[in-house]
Amino acid sequence: DIQMTQSPSSLSASVGDRVTITCRASQSIRNYLSWYQQKPGKVPKLLIYGASSLHSGVPSRFSGSASGTDFTLTISSLQPEDFATYYCQQSNSLPYTFGQGTKLEIK
Amino acid sequence: EVQLVESGGGLVQPGRSLRLSCAASGFTFDDYAMHWVRQSPGKGLEWVSGINWNSGDIGYADSVKGRFTISRDNAKKSLYLQMNSLRVEDTALYYCVKDVSGSLIRHYGMDVWGQGTTVTVSS
Repeated sequence: DIQMTQSPSSLSASVGDRVTITCRASQSIRNYLSWYQQKPGKVPKLLIYGASSLHSGVPSRFSGSASGTDFTLTISSLQPEDFATYYCQQSNSLPYTFGQGTKLEIK
Repeated sequence: EVQLVESGGGLVQPGRSLRLSCAASGFTFDDYAMHWVRQSPGKGLEWVSGINWNSGDIGYADSVKGRFTISRDNAKKSLYLQMNSLRVEDTALYYCVKDVSGSLIRHYGMDVWGQGTTVTVSS
């Protein structure tokens, strides 16, 4: 199975900060990488698909990029509503796997 | 409005069975692959199983393979998960999730999530 390793596991930041979360795949997944946001008590929301494509309705401050087996989610200027847990997920090969999550907290 | 409503969760003893259902509305159900994703209390997301639009492709997480069976009824716009030989570690909130495409293989994300149904496995 493909392992997805996210870093960091948790992160403290302030409103207005630029934040980067990384996800590393244990083998090539091409660009079959999605990012999800989950707020406490809420269902996950799709942010990014295909490593770098923004899902409909997602603010443009969110972006994704890829370099080999390393994938990055960037929030250009943190807003109060962005404090949440973020997950990456590979869909290149079954079984699909999620990263362990990155909890983004207010500093 | 696109909506997924899960049902069938509950408290069950280890080794017993449970069948989850998911009723879809607001979209053309048979155009899309569907998934089950679970989340144990206070833990992360775990993909459990997926099925393509016509049930031709099916996949399972290693942790449930041989015990769980996913199926769908396009006429009823419903997704199912038959869970047998349940274990304590299967305790979780189970989400029914819509894919962005009809293909299970190499998809580009899951865009609609139900509110989930809770499964508790305990003696």
